[in-house]
Amino acid sequence: QQPVQSPQAVILREGEDAVINCSSSKALYSVHWYRQKHGEAPVFLMILLKGGEQKGHEKISASFNEKKQQSSLYLTASQLSYSGTYFCGTENPAGNKLTFGGGTRVLVKP
Amino acid sequence: EAGVVQSPRYKIIEKKQPVAFWCNPISGHNTLYWYLQNLGQGPELLIRYENEEAVDDSQLPKDRFSAERLKGVDSTLKIQPAELGDSAVYLCASSPGIAGEVGELFFGEGSRLTVL
Repeated sequence: QQPVQSPQAVILREGEDAVINCSSSKALYSVHWYRQKHGEAPVFLMILLKGGEQKGHEKISASFNEKKQQSSLYLTASQLSYSGTYFCGTENPAGNKLTFGGGTRVLVKP
Repeated sequence: EAGVVQSPRYKIIEKKQPVAFWCNPISGHNTLYWYLQNLGQGPELLIRYENEEAVDDSQLPKDRFSAERLKGVDSTLKIQPAELGDSAVYLCASSPGIAGEVGELFFGEGSRLTVL
């Protein structure tokens, strides 16, 4: 079942903060975050594993609440380059399937 | 290092015609995925390969879609015959294939199909 993302869209001014939420009705092994710019391939941002381990290489941060089966992505001091559509992907406990949410469109204006 | 390469980037066909998409994953990546992405939506898994074996094709519409991964490297996704509703972007992704987890996916730029 597809995870639910909110909000569907957000408009920011450069330097402002935003939070994108991702929730699942099923138990999760991990949560993945990707960003896709218009007409381009989705690009990996980070993985949040059960137990709190976080793997990523961007300045964007995230959290994973295993009990609530939710994850949040934090865009802090947003830059113009943060514009794009953010997708969360939830991995099942068997660790073999990644299901993406519907996406959150982010537009950062100067 | 080259990323995931897909071709063609764009394809326009008449309904009922066949179409094929090709994907060359990152060298050494054992796991290959085909995703379908409709406009404004997230990618939906069609099929996952571990080397040359299709380990998850439960969401592949097998009446008209087929896929193969010869020698565990390149992969081809075929639609025959295409329907209007097949218009979408077909994304290929690969990953190193870490046991027990999905890991980071590396996506190609996709093949955009328009069925008229």
